[in-house]
Amino acid sequence: DAKTTQPPSMDCAEGRAANLPCNHSTISGNEYVYWYRQIHSQGPQYIIHGLKNNETNEMASLIITEDRKSSTLILPHATLRDTAVYYCIVRSSGGGADGLTFGKGTHLIIQP
Amino acid sequence: DTAVSQTPKYLVTQMGNDKSIKCEQNLGHDTMYWYKQDSKKFLKIMFSYNNKELIINETVPNRFSPKSPDKAHLNLHINSLELGDSAVYFCASRESGPYNEQFFGPGTRLTVL
Repeated sequence: DAKTTQPPSMDCAEGRAANLPCNHSTISGNEYVYWYRQIHSQGPQYIIHGLKNNETNEMASLIITEDRKSSTLILPHATLRDTAVYYCIVRSSGGGADGLTFGKGTHLIIQP
Repeated sequence: DTAVSQTPKYLVTQMGNDKSIKCEQNLGHDTMYWYKQDSKKFLKIMFSYNNKELIINETVPNRFSPKSPDKAHLNLHINSLELGDSAVYFCASRESGPYNEQFFGPGTRLTVL
């Protein structure tokens, strides 16, 4: 799986949009971008994934650049409960049973 | 509630003991995993089971052995516990397929004294 690079930490004001960047310059054609988050003392939680088109669900939006070398996770109206470590993971679409490779992630702190 | 559950939530034990952590999922998934999160918060895959067959063993010591009595359960047995085994262990499951996400349990905090 391709390597990802994320800033170690970010702050965002409550109610504002939180934009979390991720670089994955070595991503290959069959690799998807996945985002998970881990709220303190809980198990990781899936947020969203995409291949090349922008994606949106009830939790977030995912914007992937045209060259697919970077992406941005957007939490449109951040709340205090969104404070967590956010992981950007690149994974092939092979569908095998291999586990996820977590990096260090971005610690997002939502300020009241 | 449909979920991935783990027991116990906390486990404190002495070095050299043998212990087990249980994991159950009622999501009907066919693949289950164990992850280890150390004190530096790095999450690493340990094992996965697909259709009762071990798929991955990521250089984990053979003191660790996953056991799957059925598709809904993947238990983790640890023999001769060492101080370095202290960590939070997460179980996860997914339905095999190219896009399906993993669902994680709440974790088991293991402390070896």
